[in-house]
Parts: sequence; structure tokens; C-alpha cells
Amino acid sequence: AQSVTQLGSHVSVSEGALVLLRCNYSSSVPPYLFWYVQYPNQGLQLLLKYTSAATLVKGINGFEAEFKKSETSFHLTKPSAHMSDAAEYFCAVSGSSASKIIFGSGTRLSIRP
Amino acid sequence: DAGVIQSPRHEVTEMGQEVTLRCKPISGHNSLFWYRQTMMRGLELLIYFNNNVPIDDSGMPEDRFSAKMPNASFSTLKIQPSEPRDSAVYFCASSPGGGSGNTIYFGEGSWLTVV
Repeated sequence: AQSVTQLGSHVSVSEGALVLLRCNYSSSVPPYLFWYVQYPNQGLQLLLKYTSAATLVKGINGFEAEFKKSETSFHLTKPSAHMSDAAEYFCAVSGSSASKIIFGSGTRLSIRP
Repeated sequence: DAGVIQSPRHEVTEMGQEVTLRCKPISGHNSLFWYRQTMMRGLELLIYFNNNVPIDDSGMPEDRFSAKMPNASFSTLKIQPSEPRDSAVYFCASSPGGGSGNTIYFGEGSWLTVV
């Protein structure tokens, strides 16, 4: 079985500051890991995904995430926050035996001017 | 390319009424998912289909909920009878299938309010 835990339901950073959103996973098989973003009143869209090709994954809008097996983590970072990054971010995991994806509880990112 | 298309976008209905949500997945995608999103429970997987066959419906809350996928281009989620606690955003999503690691693509959601 797979699961993800997102630490912090709400993160607030200043514009231009580092963004760090934390995600830890649990999986009995090598995982596939995803970060999705949800803007207000919209569906979720993919930011990036890890599929074992490289541990550092670059996504859209300047975001990246690093897969650390020893820490069972897949934290999302962005060097410099922009006001347009304000949204809800979801970490997700799937395993090798099925195509369903399990989502974490989400982290709401706020950007202070 | 058209994305996942859901209808209606917004629905307000009275308790006890039947609600039917509709979804058209991306053409060529083999897997279809129904999720429910609420403030209290977050994003929950209700059911998913592979090649039109329900694979896992363990997330369906109770017998009032049912989902069908009569063909590769259409799926419905029905609630009968509806209750106020069913108020949520219901998302349909699809993916190419064929194994794990595939990106799933979400629709814009159906916002349901049961009064």
C-alpha cells in the first residue's frame, strides 16, 4: 500500500523567498511520485513527477523536487517565490501494480508581498 | 487538445434528489478516476476504471453512490438520494493507463451543493 504525508497544511513565505513544501511517502514497492498544483476554483495540474530516471526532478514554473530514498521524502522547492505561486499543492504516490494515484492532504501556499 | 470535460460545473439540488455528474475523458486514455474534494477530508479517490471496467470502488462512501462507464468516452457518477453532506467538488480525471507512473489529468470539477 502507498501513502503520502504532507507536513504543514499552510505555508506562508515572502515574495522572493525560498519555497519548501514537505512530503514523505510510504510504499511497499518502488514509488512513482508526483506534485500537483491547484489554483482557486480549478482542477489539479501536474507540476512534476519522479519515475526513477533521475532523483532531482525539474517541473514547470521553476519548481523542482528531489527524491531521497533514505529519507522517504520528495520535498518541493522553488528558489524564489512569486505572487502567482499562491495555490494548493498536493503530493501524490502510485505503486507499480496499479495505475491509481493516492494524494496527500495538501499544503496551501501563501505569498506575502 | 480537449482536456477532461465535466458537467455540470455547478449544481444546487435539494436533499433527496438524484444527482448525476458526467465526464468525458481525454481521447485515448484507458483509465478514469472519480475524486471528491472537501475541506474536511481533502481529496478522496472514490472509484477508478481501467478499460471501462471498475477496478477499485473501495472509496465509494455508501450505496447511495454509483458510477458507470458504458464506453471509453463517457462516465457518470450518480448520487441517489443526495444528502447535504455530499456537498463537495467532484473531479473526474483520466490517464493513459498501461501501468504506474502515468500522469493523470483532471477536469475542472463539478461543484455540488445539496441543501
